[in-house]
Parts: sequence; C-alpha cells; structure tokens
Amino acid sequence: DAKTTQPTSMDCAEGRAANLPCNHSTISGNEYVYWYRQIHSQGPQYIIHGLKNNETNEMASLIITEDRKSSTLILPHATLRDTAVYYCIVRLNSGNTPLVFGKGTRLSVIA
Amino acid sequence: GAVVSQHPSWVICKSGTSVKIECRSLDFQATTMFWYRQFPKQSLMLMATSNEGSKATYEQGVEKDKFLINHASLTLSTLTVTSAHPEDSSFYICSARAGETQYFGPGTRLLVL
Repeated sequence: DAKTTQPTSMDCAEGRAANLPCNHSTISGNEYVYWYRQIHSQGPQYIIHGLKNNETNEMASLIITEDRKSSTLILPHATLRDTAVYYCIVRLNSGNTPLVFGKGTRLSVIA
Repeated sequence: GAVVSQHPSWVICKSGTSVKIECRSLDFQATTMFWYRQFPKQSLMLMATSNEGSKATYEQGVEKDKFLINHASLTLSTLTVTSAHPEDSSFYICSARAGETQYFGPGTRLLVL
C-alpha cells in the first residue's frame, strides 16, 4: 500500500511555479522520499529524491519538512510539457525494495 | 540518468497466443529488475521482482505460470505472457535500479484480441 497522500489534481499557469504537496506522516527514519512523473502513455520519469535535506536539480526542487511528515515538489517555471501525473513515493534504500505507486497528482499546466 | 529500454513498444496478438517482452538496462548492470502493469486511468501495479540468476518473486494475485519471468543476464529480463486473453491487455513497464534510483522503460502496450 502506498504510504503517501497527494491531491488528485492541480492546475498551474504556464511560466508559474508548480508546488505539489505530499503527506507521508508514517515515514520511517531510513525511508527516502522519491518523486516521479508519468506523461501520458510513457514510462515514469525520475525527478528527484531526498532523505531529510532539501534537494535541487535541473528539473525541480524538493522541500522536506523538518519532521519529515510532508514534502513539496517545486517546478520553478512550469511549461506545457510538464503536464503529467506526479507520484510521491517513500521507500527504503536498502536491499531490493521496489517503488510502490499511489494514485499521484494530475498536474495540468495551462497556457 | 540510466537508460532502460523495452521491446516491443506495442503488440497486438490473438487470444491464446504467448507474447514476450524484453527489458534491457543499456548503460548499467541490474541484478534486480521489476515488472509493473498499468490499466487505463489507474496507477502502476507491481507484478514481480526479477533477480538475475534466480526465480522471480511475484506479488499476491499475479499468476507465476501465466507471467513467466526470466532474468538470464545482468542487462536483460523478459516477461512472457502465456496464453494471453483480452483481460491481459494492459501497459507493461519494466524498471531497473541503478544506485539509489529506479529507472523505468518506456513501456509495452499489449492488446489481446
């Protein structure tokens, strides 16, 4: 079972920042937070992941609260091509633990 | 990031036939690969974990005799849907782990007539 809660859908104006929230109140101390997105009819694309510190890469920023019970994925300047379903997943990084997907957030970027 | 490929990208077959889907890690070795399927408007569901040189581990409710998984090398895993039926029509996606990150193939869309 997915251990995260995300809004079903969100809209964002093109060029604005998209802030996607995720609740993971039962996260354990050694579980990471991963974000993926799936554009229609494609395989999921890795975006970013983190343990407790905020992370940034060329795609997005990940802000994790101090208590680690929630996080926010930030796409700084959303484009139409960012329209996708975004999945927030918590997972151990040891062994062969697979990613378990919840329902995600459908982000629609609007011109 | 690491690249995972799948072949074919789509396949149409008659009911009762078998279909093989290949998953390759192109620029890294993967001792473990994962197979998922996705029905329309639903999320990805894990089917099985494929381990190189050993038997796959199937999720509850997934028939191991129907979905045969072979992971004969560190870069190739195959999923064979045996005696396919229309209800097996789905989007099949493989995945492999490189370091801390799991990368996904582009998916194979199967339509069983």
